[in-house]
Amino acid sequence: AQSVTQPDIHITVSEGASLELRCNYSYGATPYLFWYVQSPGQGLQLLLKYFSGDTLVQGIKGFEAEFKRSQSSFNLRKPSVHWSDAAEYFCAVGVFQKVTFGTGTKLQVIP
Amino acid sequence: DAGVIQSPRHEVTEMGQEVTLRCKPISGHDYLFWYRQTMMRGLELLIYFNNNVPIDDSGMPEDRFSAKMPNASFSTLKIQPSEPRDSAVYFCATTSAGGDTDTQYFGPGTRLTVL
Repeated sequence: AQSVTQPDIHITVSEGASLELRCNYSYGATPYLFWYVQSPGQGLQLLLKYFSGDTLVQGIKGFEAEFKRSQSSFNLRKPSVHWSDAAEYFCAVGVFQKVTFGTGTKLQVIP
Repeated sequence: DAGVIQSPRHEVTEMGQEVTLRCKPISGHDYLFWYRQTMMRGLELLIYFNNNVPIDDSGMPEDRFSAKMPNASFSTLKIQPSEPRDSAVYFCATTSAGGDTDTQYFGPGTRLTVL
């Protein structure tokens, strides 16, 4: 079965600083990989996804993620964080429609 | 499109009562998922349907939980009898699978509190 690990429970960054959220997955082959964002009191929204092809994936709101097969990683990045990016971020692995979510990383943005 | 619709948004009930959560999927989506989110366990898949048929219910915690999808436009998750440990946010998500696994669209969730 697939699994996903987000080692950072909570991250604080200053507005305008760069951001990297870590994600490692476990699966025998290359799974479908996703990053979702959840604002307080709301459901999850897709930021970006990777199925195949170019390992650098662009998403909404200026986010990007890079798939590294050798490291089984799919880290999320943003060059300059805005206060509105404060939310919880979930990495997810999908195999035959069954999606397993990581435990989430809560992002705090300080002025 | 209105997106995935869930009702009620908030439910407060007493232990032992029956609770029914409802979900209306996005039109045309043929997969429907029920998740439970808690601080302790994160986001857990409870059950999912394809074309109204339950495919995998291995995440349903116990027999007190049941889910149905009588048609393509409606699904319910029922807890009977409810217990305080069932307190959580329950999400419904749907997708139209173009391949192995595709983007899931989440509803706003139902926050359940069992006293």
